[in-house]
Order: sequence, then C-alpha cells, then structure tokens
Amino acid sequence: GGIITQTPKFLIGQEGQKLTLKCQQNFNHDTMYWYRQDSGKGLRLIYYSITENDLQKGDLSEGYDASREKKSSFSLTVTSAQKNEMAVFLCASSILWGGQDTQYFGPGTRLLVL
Amino acid sequence: QQQVRQSPQSLTVWEGETAILNCSYENSAFDYFPWYQQFPGEGPALLIAIRSVSDKKEDGRFTIFFNKREKKLSLHITDSQPGDSATYFCAASTNNNNAPRFGAGTKLSVKP
Repeated sequence: GGIITQTPKFLIGQEGQKLTLKCQQNFNHDTMYWYRQDSGKGLRLIYYSITENDLQKGDLSEGYDASREKKSSFSLTVTSAQKNEMAVFLCASSILWGGQDTQYFGPGTRLLVL
Repeated sequence: QQQVRQSPQSLTVWEGETAILNCSYENSAFDYFPWYQQFPGEGPALLIAIRSVSDKKEDGRFTIFFNKREKKLSLHITDSQPGDSATYFCAASTNNNNAPRFGAGTKLSVKP
C-alpha cells in the first residue's frame, strides 16, 4: 500500500497572493494529477505529469503553474489568488497515464481567499 | 460543457433500502466507467468500475447497471448502511489515454 500526503491541509490567502500546494506519494507511481473540486461541479483537471519533469495542462490550467521536482512529488501554484475563492485541491497518482487506471487521491488542501 | 452528468444531486434513503444513483454521458467513445466514493474530509477512492463490454458489474452490495445504447449507467447500493453516507462520483474515460471526466457527484445520506 501507499499514501498521498498533501500540505497544507488548510490554506488561507489574500487576493493577488501566490500560493503553493504540495503533494507527496510513496506508491512509486509515474503519473500524478492536480484536480480542483468545487461544490456542485465535480473534479476538474488542472495539471498532470506522466513522469518526472513532465508537465501537461488540463482543462483548468489557466491561473496555475505546476512543478514535478521528482517522481514522488508534485507541486501546484496558484499564481494570483482570486478574492472569495473557495475550493478543495486534490492530488492523485496512478501507475499509468490515462483514465483507465485507478487513481489514488490525497485528502485535499482546502483553500479560502479573503 | 459537462460530459458526464449525475442525478440526483443529493439522495436520502433509510437504512436497509436500495439507493440508486444515476449517471449519463455524451461521448460514445467512453468505454470505462469508474465510480469513486468520497467521505467528508477525505479524497475520493475507487469503489467499483465497469467497461462498456459489460452491462452489469457487481461487488457485494454495490452493482453497476450499464446501458450503452442509452449512454446511461446507475449504481445500486442494496441494504444501504449509515456508513455508506458519502458523495459518489461517476467518471468516464476512453481507451486513447485521455483524462477521465468526472460528474458533479451525488451526495448520499443513509438514515438509521
């Protein structure tokens, strides 16, 4: 078994601030993902990475940057936080890229922008 | 554009009843449909999945019924338990390495 750790668990930011979310996995999975979860809208893909140093944009990449520093870690940066923004950011990993492989999710980082 | 739709948005059943969660999709190329279960404060976890070559997949109290012609599927939870109270996401993907598409989820409450 393995685990995905996301830090911080809660993040409160100011409008215009640059905010970084971190994710670590010990599954030794090649592929990692960042999703945004908004109430009533399901999960939307922001960025994904098929292997170390690879980065691919998802449907919701505008306003975000990502970094895959090593196989086990994947970071997401909100480049300019929007006032009153509230969402949960979920990190996931899978052995292979593509929707047909089981994704393992972390517990999420809850963002609130004042 | 929501490629995967779920209904109802929320559902309440009594303990012991069967909960039915619905999912529909638009892209006929989707051929793999996982359902994820999410408890409050946790990330989603794979519950059960079906491929489009099957019309039914069963795992204990959880069963997926799939209708390819109508592009609809449903998750049936028999003998619902309070511990089943969670949000359930239907997802869909193709076999050509595209990201899975998630529905908006159904929040299930099971009352004792």
